[in-house]
Amino acid sequence: GQNIDQPTEMTATEGAIVQINCTYQTSGFNGLFWYQQHAGEAPTFLSYNVLDGLEEKGRFSSFLSRSKGYSYLLLKELQMKDSASYLCAVRSTNDYKLSFGAGTTVTVRA
Amino acid sequence: GAVVSQHPSWVICKSGTSVKIECRSLDFQATTMFWYRQFPKQSLMLMATSNEGSKATYEQGVEKDKFLINHASLTLSTLTVTSAHPEDSSFYICSARSDLQIGSDTQYFGPGTRLTVL
Repeated sequence: GQNIDQPTEMTATEGAIVQINCTYQTSGFNGLFWYQQHAGEAPTFLSYNVLDGLEEKGRFSSFLSRSKGYSYLLLKELQMKDSASYLCAVRSTNDYKLSFGAGTTVTVRA
Repeated sequence: GAVVSQHPSWVICKSGTSVKIECRSLDFQATTMFWYRQFPKQSLMLMATSNEGSKATYEQGVEKDKFLINHASLTLSTLTVTSAHPEDSSFYICSARSDLQIGSDTQYFGPGTRLTVL
């Protein structure tokens, strides 16, 4: 089966940096995705890593280490609107199916 | 680009009735569409995968006769919850991807449909 772990909750201050870790144990690996989901809304795509290393997109960066089964999402210069759930999802085979972690709820405080 | 819509956004129905949810890709042809269910404070659970013109593939534990999926065209998939019961109340989300697009590995999600069965 698929096992994807991420912390349940994190709290940070506006303007700060927060790092959300995700570890995975899957039967195969074909890419890792991060999505942002605000309460009651659908997830929106943030990043995709398939090779080791850091991918940077503005205030958001995502890192992957395939040998360690580990990824993190780094949110910089936090804004109040970044308060949301962040979902780590792994694609394990070539069929494009995603397995999601339970999500990390990030609360940004003034 | 890569916009996915769902209709309705919310629905309330009586126990025993059937509800149809539509998922449309508005600006691309969706080779594959996925249907997920999400209970409060839980993650997305994949229910089924559908490819245009073929039968949907259901995940283990999902009743295919209860959750009917039709993917009649490259821009439309429907999920029908038959004989709905209160335990079917959930947030249903579809996603779509395309073999024909750059970034075909990415799934784009619809806004979700909140189903409440009384």
